[in-house]
Amino acid sequence: EAQVTQNPRYLITVTGKKLTVTCSQNMNHEYMSWYRQDPGLGLRQIYYSMNVEVTDKGDVPEGYKVSRKEKRNFPLILESPSPNQTSLYFCASSQAEPSTDTQYFGPGTRLTVL
Amino acid sequence: GESVGLHLPTLSVQEGDNSIINCAYSNSASDYFIWYKQESGKGPQFIIDIRSNMDKRQGQRVTVLLNKTVKHLSLQIAATQPGDSAVYFCAETYTGRRALTFGSGTRLQVQP
Repeated sequence: EAQVTQNPRYLITVTGKKLTVTCSQNMNHEYMSWYRQDPGLGLRQIYYSMNVEVTDKGDVPEGYKVSRKEKRNFPLILESPSPNQTSLYFCASSQAEPSTDTQYFGPGTRLTVL
Repeated sequence: GESVGLHLPTLSVQEGDNSIINCAYSNSASDYFIWYKQESGKGPQFIIDIRSNMDKRQGQRVTVLLNKTVKHLSLQIAATQPGDSAVYFCAETYTGRRALTFGSGTRLQVQP
């Protein structure tokens, strides 16, 4: 089944404790992206990747890192989480950039930073 | 700057009625628009899209209308069903841009 998977689905942590949220897709997509979703703000893009070893900032990249060492994986790293990063995070992938191809979203990771 | 907004945060309709969800956008360069449906506990799911060289596109029970003059987008759902209850987002982008800009969402509640 074609899908985007994220782990963990739920995470509660404390300020300053490094964490990684994994994202994997099995569709051989080149484009992958991370969004955060906050009430009243819709989804905002954090980082995206056009291909292996090619990443770039989205609209709200501060406090986040990403890597793309393999085509299928695009982990989101919070080196020193803060309470304002409490949010619902979605990973998405598509064969090409979103202006030309449909994005498929993962199920989401709900992160709480205390 | 760019923005995509919605007129109504919550829309309540009776089962069997038609639903119309509206969206305004501000970037005149936008040429690709998408509607997503998000059910509780799930990620956004693609419903239908439209490019700026069209003003109407139909899918199965859904129609998207685009009015570029007033920068307005709408999603029409025919014969709304309980399974249509969800949050609906519009999103926009333009050729060459590597991101989508999402609206804040409209919750559709279908009353039996």
